[in-house]
Amino acid sequence: EDQVTQSPEALRLQEGESSSLNCSYTVSGLRGLFWYRQDPGKGPEFLFTLYSAGEEKEKERLKATLTKKESFLHITAPKPEDSATYLCAVRVDNYGQNFVFGPGTRLSVLP
Amino acid sequence: DVKVTQSSRYLVKRTGEKVFLECVQDMDHENMFWYRQDPGLGLRLIYFSYDVKMKEKGDIPEGYSVSREKKERFSLILESASTNQTSMYLCASRPRGGGSYEQYFGPGTRLTVT
Repeated sequence: EDQVTQSPEALRLQEGESSSLNCSYTVSGLRGLFWYRQDPGKGPEFLFTLYSAGEEKEKERLKATLTKKESFLHITAPKPEDSATYLCAVRVDNYGQNFVFGPGTRLSVLP
Repeated sequence: DVKVTQSSRYLVKRTGEKVFLECVQDMDHENMFWYRQDPGLGLRLIYFSYDVKMKEKGDIPEGYSVSREKKERFSLILESASTNQTSMYLCASRPRGGGSYEQYFGPGTRLTVT
């Protein structure tokens, strides 16, 4: 069964304190791993897509990396506005219609 | 900018009522999705549609139906609402092809069934 887990469930950081979020997956065939950011009361917003082990993507203070079994979202010198829930999802079909989402990591960055 | 809108942000319904959730996207996307989001479970796919009048069941279709009469509009119907359908409902869309598989989400509808 295709499965995506994320850790930790919740993370509190001080402003400027760098850390990483983990997304582990067990799928029959990875066809892309996606990171989304979700603010309270809003829908998820796309951040990154990764396709192959070793691939990295960066956007401002965020960097996503991918291995054969997991992905990390590294947050460097976070600011309070980075507080959100970060969701990881994997595409498991050839048509882009079937995605398995993890439960998310709720990040709080304190000033 | 892609915009996905949902008809209600908050909805309170009684057990047994028929409930309609509407979603509209303005970017001519072929694919549209309905998910529900519950704490600790992540997003779970209810139904998706890859074209007008076309639909496919997702992982948890029981108790739900959908309608797609126009390309831009995808409706989720709860035939007889039950308390275990209290949840956040998210609509999403994405274009067909082009090698881009990210989805664009609406703001969600928080449904409470009492």
